[in-house]
Amino acid sequence: EVQLVESGGGLVQPGGSLKLSCVASGFTFRDYWMNWVRQAPGKTMEWIGDIKPDGSNTNYAPSVKNRFTISRDNAKSILYLQMSNMRSDYTATYYCVRDGVIAAFDYWGQGVMVTVSS
Amino acid sequence: DVVLTQTPPTLSATIGQSVSISCRSSQSLLHSNGNTYLNWLLQRPGQPPQLLIYLVSRLESGVPNRFSGSGSGTDFTLKISGVEAEDLGVYYCVQSTHAPTFGSGTKLEIK
Repeated sequence: EVQLVESGGGLVQPGGSLKLSCVASGFTFRDYWMNWVRQAPGKTMEWIGDIKPDGSNTNYAPSVKNRFTISRDNAKSILYLQMSNMRSDYTATYYCVRDGVIAAFDYWGQGVMVTVSS
Repeated sequence: DVVLTQTPPTLSATIGQSVSISCRSSQSLLHSNGNTYLNWLLQRPGQPPQLLIYLVSRLESGVPNRFSGSGSGTDFTLKISGVEAEDLGVYYCVQSTHAPTFGSGTKLEIK
């Protein structure tokens, strides 16, 4: 069974930093593109970015470029999201999401809440 | 950015009723490789989204066949043929032909 479990969320002050982790199991992690997607309270989803299976290439939404960094540890099956210089509008639930071989966004983690507030 | 416009924003249906949700894109979602990367997701209350349909009309494994997708280019439709109580939630279209974007969502309520 595919499982994606995020952690590392919480309260952070504006301008602060936070690193999220996503532990993957039930599939060969190193074979799949992975994404981070966020959802502000009561809003639709926003794609943050993705990372190639071998970690050699990443893509980001313009809204987070130069503030967020996606990385992965294929030996440990962990996906990371490093967030810096955070703003209050970054308050959201952050999801770790797998891209299937054919279907994008085929498996979602339960999400982790991040609140940016002073 | 590709904008996906979903209508209606809310939908109220009785059990057994058939309903449709529209998703219109600001740009064609036909990829140069011939595929159209348009998916439909369902987010039940308090849950993460789950994949229902991918590549416009392909049913994800385990999803009931009362769900179906159709469309091409910029106009797409999700149809539920015979709504059941477990179908309540918010439905989203998402495209990944271009940098991924999500529709604004359609909330399905059961009367």
